[in-house]
Amino acid sequence: EDQVTQSPEALRLQEGESSSLNCSYTVSGLRGLFWYRQDPGKGPEFLFTLYSAGEEKEKERLKATLTKKESFLHITAPKPEDSATYLCAAGNKLTFGGGTRVLVKP
Amino acid sequence: GAVVSQHPSRVICKSGTSVKIECRSLDFQATTMFWYRQFPKQSLMLMATSNEGSKATYEQGVEKDKFLINHASLTLSTLTVTSAHPEDSSFYICSARESSGAGQETQYFGPGTRLLVL
Repeated sequence: EDQVTQSPEALRLQEGESSSLNCSYTVSGLRGLFWYRQDPGKGPEFLFTLYSAGEEKEKERLKATLTKKESFLHITAPKPEDSATYLCAAGNKLTFGGGTRVLVKP
Repeated sequence: GAVVSQHPSRVICKSGTSVKIECRSLDFQATTMFWYRQFPKQSLMLMATSNEGSKATYEQGVEKDKFLINHASLTLSTLTVTSAHPEDSSFYICSARESSGAGQETQYFGPGTRLLVL
């Protein structure tokens, strides 16, 4: 059974305080490791797909990296508008982790 | 990125009635769409996979006679919650899989439908 685990569950940051979110996965077939951002009451917004270990992708203050067992989402110098729940997903049926709720205080 | 729409965004209905939710891929064709439900402060749980022109595949524990899925075209999938009860109240989200070639696929999500059954 595919498993995706995210940590921490919640993260409180001061504006400008960089941090990293972790996503550990055990899946039978990796067709990509996906990162999404979800705001309250909205559907997930696609951020990145990573396909192979060593791959990195960046978008504004976000950078995603991938190893054979886990992925990291680095948030550099976050701003309050980066506050959201970040979800990772993997596997043939796109199994989701529990998410990390990020709150960035000004 | 690609756009997926859902309609309605919110619906309130009486217990025992049926509710239909539409999911459309606006700028790409999707042979495969997915339906999820999400409870407050929880992650997304896959309910079923919708395949254009064939029967949907339901996850374990999801009643196929209660959650009817129709994928009539390459841009439209519908989820009908039949004889809805208060415990069916939830946030329903659809997604559509876009194939970009070279074996790479991305799932784009709709904005979700908030269902409240009284």
